Amino acid sequence: KQEVTQIPAALSVPEGENLVLNCSFTDSAIYNLQWFRQDPGKGLTSLLLIQSSQREQTSGRLNASLDKSSGRSTLYIAASQPGDSATYLCAPYNFNKFYFGSGTKLNVKP
Amino acid sequence: EPEVTQTPSHQVTQMGQEVILRCVPISNHLYFYWYRQILGQKVEFLVSFYNNEISEKSEIFDDQFSVERPDGSNFTLKIRSTKLEDSAMYFCASSPGTGGLPRLNSPLHFGNGTRLTVT
Repeated sequence: KQEVTQIPAALSVPEGENLVLNCSFTDSAIYNLQWFRQDPGKGLTSLLLIQSSQREQTSGRLNASLDKSSGRSTLYIAASQPGDSATYLCAPYNFNKFYFGSGTKLNVKP
Repeated sequence: EPEVTQTPSHQVTQMGQEVILRCVPISNHLYFYWYRQILGQKVEFLVSFYNNEISEKSEIFDDQFSVERPDGSNFTLKIRSTKLEDSAMYFCASSPGTGGLPRLNSPLHFGNGTRLTVT
């Protein structure tokens, strides 16, 4: 069974900092990996999807990398803003479903 | 932009009662899912549904749970006799796909969830 770990569990930074959120997973036989954002009491918003053949995917200030063989993915957030405050979830896809980590709770202070 | 919609947003029910959670997936999507998130815990997979049948289900999805696509637009999750531990946020999700596999370059789209409280 796929196990997903996200580090750190929580992060509090001043506005403007560049951030690194880490995700590791135990089974590297994945089809793709998705990063989500979850605001309190809300659903999950897809941020980026990286296919298993890709190394990197970018959207605006977000950049996600994938090292499938070592079971790692990283989400970079450039020039963080208070509006980035949320929980960020990593979800590799295999065995016909997405497996979720516990998330990194991010607080960006103005 | 098309979105997955879920109703109700919050449901309170007494232990032992039946509840039906409703979802309208994105219209051209073929794969449908239910996930749940107990407060403070991980998002957990419950069931996936394709071509009018269950593709896969987790150990959580026991005989108390069932899913249905009663028409061309709705996708429902029924809990027959709710327990206190069923209290959670239930998320519906959908994705496009062809040929028996989700389209692997297309993201999973989630609804905003139904908060189920069992008293």
